[in-house]
Amino acid sequence: NAGVTQTPKFQVLKTGQSMTLQCAQDMNHNSMYWYRQDPGMGLRLIYYSASEGTTDKGEVPNGYNVSRLNKREFSLRLESAAPSQTSVYFCASSEVASGSYNEQFFGPGTRLTVL
Amino acid sequence: AQSVAQPEDQVNVAEGNPLTVKCTYSVSGNPYLFWYVQYPNRGLQFLLKYITGDNLVKGSYGFEAEFNKSQTSFHLKKPSALVSDSALYFCAVRVAYSSASKIIFGSGTRLSIRP
Repeated sequence: NAGVTQTPKFQVLKTGQSMTLQCAQDMNHNSMYWYRQDPGMGLRLIYYSASEGTTDKGEVPNGYNVSRLNKREFSLRLESAAPSQTSVYFCASSEVASGSYNEQFFGPGTRLTVL
Repeated sequence: AQSVAQPEDQVNVAEGNPLTVKCTYSVSGNPYLFWYVQYPNRGLQFLLKYITGDNLVKGSYGFEAEFNKSQTSFHLKKPSALVSDSALYFCAVRVAYSSASKIIFGSGTRLSIRP
């Protein structure tokens, strides 16, 4: 049981390049989330998917797109990377569609640097 | 606005002493509160949560948290600190967001336990 997995672990991009961060969970959770973590700012929600087939914006969605490919997988795409998107990105999942009061399970993160 | 605050960026404690990591919150309605821990280069791990009931909640690794409704606080505590408790700790609160719920994280408190 791997939990939440993310690829890649590290990535360096040049300004304007695009890339997709992959996330998969094997816990049969309905809801999945993408966060970014910046020093002194905690985690901020980029996008979330309450259930398969639905996605919604979080606090900081600009510059990102997401795809809920199936129940297991939720990808995050940067179409034209900017230095302000240098961050550590975490994917998470939880059991209840609305988020409710169930805890979230986190992946190990992707450290992205945009030059 | 709904929010969660961790007033201390860093807490330093000697091994064997009790520790407290502070958290205050502001939400409408009943608060659902969480504590997570993050070890270096890892994702967040769930420690404990308060939903309802007993104000003292027990969690993983000997941690507990005390919910205080009048002070809108949810402080994390441990009677005797270990060096291995050194990590970054996040308080979080569930809030209503659009048609679903999500979790808002505090900015984090770095706990350093000296031998």
